[in-house]
Amino acid sequence: KAGVTQTPRYLIKTRGQQVTLSCSPISGHRSVSWYQQTPGQGLQFLFEYFSETQRNKGNFPGRFSGRQFSNSRSEMNVSTLELGDSALYLCASSLGDRGLGETQYFGPGTRLLVL
Amino acid sequence: AQTVTQSQPEMSVQEAETVTLSCTYDTSESDYYLFWYKQPPSRQMILVIRQEAYKQQNATENRFSVNFQKAAKSFSLKISDSQLGDAAMYFCAYRSGGRGSTLGRLYFGRGTQLTVWP
Repeated sequence: KAGVTQTPRYLIKTRGQQVTLSCSPISGHRSVSWYQQTPGQGLQFLFEYFSETQRNKGNFPGRFSGRQFSNSRSEMNVSTLELGDSALYLCASSLGDRGLGETQYFGPGTRLLVL
Repeated sequence: AQTVTQSQPEMSVQEAETVTLSCTYDTSESDYYLFWYKQPPSRQMILVIRQEAYKQQNATENRFSVNFQKAAKSFSLKISDSQLGDAAMYFCAYRSGGRGSTLGRLYFGRGTQLTVWP
């Protein structure tokens, strides 16, 4: 099975712009979660989508949003970029079943640099 | 909120030797899951091993094993016969097994950078 894929892998934007990141989960996985990784804050949870619905959300401002499509692919959008948004954005997919042993598998990440 | 603490920012080990990485967590839940992920320089997060809290038996995956002490809220990772390819940042992570707003999200520690010397 193909793993989780993320596009683009690298991105450079300027302050005030917006950006859209894409994540394709492992085939058959219905849950997609997004994380932000920075040297200062470590790994922080952004949100989780399951069957096109946001099921869980972290403590990020409204500039960060996402969605999930019927094929489970997910996009994350950041509007009005700030310098502090420079980070590695990781996407993870899982079966999404609430129960035993759900495990998240990660993509390679998108490295975003805001100038 | 659940917290995960990795008290060793850096560790090093000689090739073929054994090393143990520490992790403690704070939770009031009884149903949860614990994971170790490794992140090599490529930044790809790779699952190493997982443990269900309801299982008393420690999980093992080839050279990797855990020492899960539920009462002490401790979850250490032991790497035996260390290899150069084991060099990476290792993250301990917690996931709630119950329902509610924390379900499905992973809480990560700050990581331990493991260096393997030839």
